[in-house]
Amino acid sequence: GNSVTQMEGPVTLSEEAFLTINCTYTATGYPSLFWYVQYPGEGLQLLLKATKADDKGSNKGFEATYRKETTSFHLEKGSVQVSDSAVYFCALSGSQGNLIFGKGTKLSVKP
Amino acid sequence: DGGITQSPKYLFRKEGQNVTLSCEQNLNHDAMYWYRQDPGQGLRLIYYSQIVNDFQKGDIAEGYSVSREKKESFPLTVTSAQKNPTAFYLCASSIGRGNTDTQYFGPGTRLTVL
Repeated sequence: GNSVTQMEGPVTLSEEAFLTINCTYTATGYPSLFWYVQYPGEGLQLLLKATKADDKGSNKGFEATYRKETTSFHLEKGSVQVSDSAVYFCALSGSQGNLIFGKGTKLSVKP
Repeated sequence: DGGITQSPKYLFRKEGQNVTLSCEQNLNHDAMYWYRQDPGQGLRLIYYSQIVNDFQKGDIAEGYSVSREKKESFPLTVTSAQKNPTAFYLCASSIGRGNTDTQYFGPGTRLTVL
């Protein structure tokens, strides 16, 4: 079945460091891919999405490219801030209209 | 402001009790979803609904029930049959069930069994 695997956390970075969070997927058909962010005690917010191969989603300095050949959707940001500290979830669209999530990666950014 | 509201934010349940979690949206979305989140885990689908008076079981529906009597409301009942209900519950909605449709999430309800 469809599934998402993302890198284990936690990830700890200094402010202004480069961020990569790896995400790979297994899917039949042509799913859409999403990155969501969750701040402590809150619901999830959409960070970015891509709906077809080679699409690049971007928002707030974060980027991810839908790579069908490597079944990947890695999240990157060139310079992280303390305010980026959160849990990041990679997800793909499922056959029930739902989202199938990875386990999440906790990011902590130190000043 | 359009959005999704969930209440209560925190809920405590005694063993053997049923409790109902509220989810309301004013986005005019057709599809609504309930997910469960456990520490260190991704979200798992409990139930979903595409239209009023219709809903389907997700991956972990046992011990839960839902209703969809109005487009904007999708309450979840956690019954006494749910053996391990302590978790964070998230409601979401989307304009449809297309695979490009973005899901928008509420702030969540944290349920604790005493």
